[in-house]
Amino acid sequence: DQQVKQNSPSLSVQEGRISILNCDYTNSMFDYFLWYKKYPAEGPTFLISISSIKDKNEDGRFTVFLNKSAKHLSLHIVPSQPGDSAVYFCAAKIISNFGNEKLTFGTGTRLTIIP
Amino acid sequence: GAVVSQHPSWVICKSGTSVKIECRSLDFQATTMFWYRQFPKQSLMLMATSNEGSKATYEQGVEKDKFLINHASLTLSTLTVTSAHPEDSSFYICSAVGDSFSYEQYFGPGTRLTVT
Repeated sequence: DQQVKQNSPSLSVQEGRISILNCDYTNSMFDYFLWYKKYPAEGPTFLISISSIKDKNEDGRFTVFLNKSAKHLSLHIVPSQPGDSAVYFCAAKIISNFGNEKLTFGTGTRLTIIP
Repeated sequence: GAVVSQHPSWVICKSGTSVKIECRSLDFQATTMFWYRQFPKQSLMLMATSNEGSKATYEQGVEKDKFLINHASLTLSTLTVTSAHPEDSSFYICSAVGDSFSYEQYFGPGTRLTVT
């Protein structure tokens, strides 16, 4: 049962344009969402996160939008750069008081930025 | 800060042997470490949650007698794949959460295991 889904396995975007990566989830208990970037044979690198009490969080070129009613979040990268080419995973978790909650990952979207 | 290392980065072993993978938090104390595996072009699947000084909590479908996890100190967790088989070949990644309240897990670079 895939609770976090990324329906687009791949995406190609022209350099300088906006990249939009989408993620859907089914578990309404999730209250914290994260995006990770991953290169082959490396561990994921944290990019940006958002709490369920917000609908937008921005950090430089990266913005994450959350639509709780639709159980949907998206990552916008603008402007896209060649170094952004990687696999992007969204992840979700249920916050507790301990800060050690497990993450549920989506299936990933391979982003290719075309120079 | 928040660097996590794994050793070895890749390993090839023969079927039936055991392999140990180490995960270390280099500049912080990790009260919790997680072990994931990733098959080609698939998601990271959580195998188990490891808390320092206690037994690991395994996800459904993960054989705890096959994948032995030890979190003996606040900076080291080990995953031992016992009696490895070719289907255990995968990319194993650990992550760590510090002892201060933090929402982010810090991931190691992963270990590529190939069982022949």
